[in-house]
Amino acid sequence: DAGITQSPRHKVTETGTPVTLRCHQTENHRYMYWYRQDPGHGLRLIHYSYGVKDTDKGEVSDGYSVSRSKTEDFLLTLESATSSQTSVYFCAISGARRGAEAFFGQGTRLTVV
Amino acid sequence: DQQVKQNSPSLSVQEGRISILNCDYTNSMFDYFLWYKKYPAEGPTFLISISSIKDKNEDGRFTVFLNKSAKHLSLHIVPSQPGDSAVYFCAASGEGGADGLTFGKGTHLIIQP
Repeated sequence: DAGITQSPRHKVTETGTPVTLRCHQTENHRYMYWYRQDPGHGLRLIHYSYGVKDTDKGEVSDGYSVSRSKTEDFLLTLESATSSQTSVYFCAISGARRGAEAFFGQGTRLTVV
Repeated sequence: DQQVKQNSPSLSVQEGRISILNCDYTNSMFDYFLWYKKYPAEGPTFLISISSIKDKNEDGRFTVFLNKSAKHLSLHIVPSQPGDSAVYFCAASGEGGADGLTFGKGTHLIIQP
């Protein structure tokens, strides 16, 4: 298995609070991604990074920010959590921008109450 | 606008028979296609991929077929086994698409004993 660790694995938080999810990789891959999975929607890209301090928005980026200060760590922050952000969040890594498989972490189940 | 479509939310197949999962795409710039398998409470795992320069790729019991003119790909699993019961996601990437992978909504494959 690719060396990807997501933390926490489960979290319950209250509406309006900030939340940070962490993705840590040991593969030294350049590209890192945050996806969310919701029933009826498959996996949708939130933000991605193509290098340290280089990030960009994905399909569903509103309400989220990211940071990548080290190759191995990619953080996803919900500035002010809302119930619509209740979801399962997956981090993925890839060695290439396109034309290559991405490897996924185990996921973080976030519940906003 | 959904660029990758999996029109069958679920599929039930008898053990030992062939499972055929289908996927359609609309973006003609996609040039790399992948299938992922996902068990509950786990991250998606890469299964098999195909480049647009090929029309078939085989790996053990799994074969992916690509019909570029129809913008259609399919995953064949022969013979189907109980451990194949999972959600299968079709994904695509390529110039003109978003960075990262664009996923379909998934098909839940159930292998009946």
